[in-house]
Amino acid sequence: EVQLLESGGGLVQPGGSLRLSCAASGFTFSTHGLTWVRQAPGKGLEWVAWISGGDGSANHADSVKGRFTISRDISKNTLYLQMNSLRAEDTAEYYCAKVGWNMGRVFDSWGQGTQVTVSS
Amino acid sequence: QTVVTQEPSFSVSPGGTVTLTCGLTSGSVSTGYFPSWYQQTPGQAPRLVIYNTYTRSSGVPDRFSGSILGNKAALTITGAQAEDECDYYCVVYLGRDFNWVFGGGTKLTVL
Repeated sequence: EVQLLESGGGLVQPGGSLRLSCAASGFTFSTHGLTWVRQAPGKGLEWVAWISGGDGSANHADSVKGRFTISRDISKNTLYLQMNSLRAEDTAEYYCAKVGWNMGRVFDSWGQGTQVTVSS
Repeated sequence: QTVVTQEPSFSVSPGGTVTLTCGLTSGSVSTGYFPSWYQQTPGQAPRLVIYNTYTRSSGVPDRFSGSILGNKAALTITGAQAEDECDYYCVVYLGRDFNWVFGGGTKLTVL
């Protein structure tokens, strides 16, 4: 059974940094892409970043490009999201999800999320 | 910038049929965008319903179906149940540079 468990959320001041983690199990971590999706309070879902299985190439949404960095540690089966220069509009629930590439680029398993609040 | 459109809200009677759509402000949604659909109830993570345009996720009742209608992806619920009342999101894969875009979501009321 695929399990994804996010951690690292919390309250941070504007301009600050935070690193989210997503511990994965139940699948071959090194060969599957993973993604981060966020949801601001009362708002819809927003894709944030993706990292590929295999070579670990990555991409980020324009709204976070240059501030956030997705990465992974294959030895720990853990996905990360380093968030720098945080803004109030980054306040959201952050979900990690596994990408079923051969199923049609789909986010086929999700974690339960971790809350990030950016406020002074 | 690509914007994915969804109806903000929809209402259906119990046992009725409803079709939610997922479009683009410029262009058409085709199977090449790999549209998928998610349910979300308050306080919960999204749950995959339909992927790769047509395929139901494991455990999803067969009253849910996906299709392309005209220039949009569509999610149809045939015989809506009270437990289908929640938010529905579509997402499309843009392909270039590995980008995905979610629609704004549709709040479905079964009443």
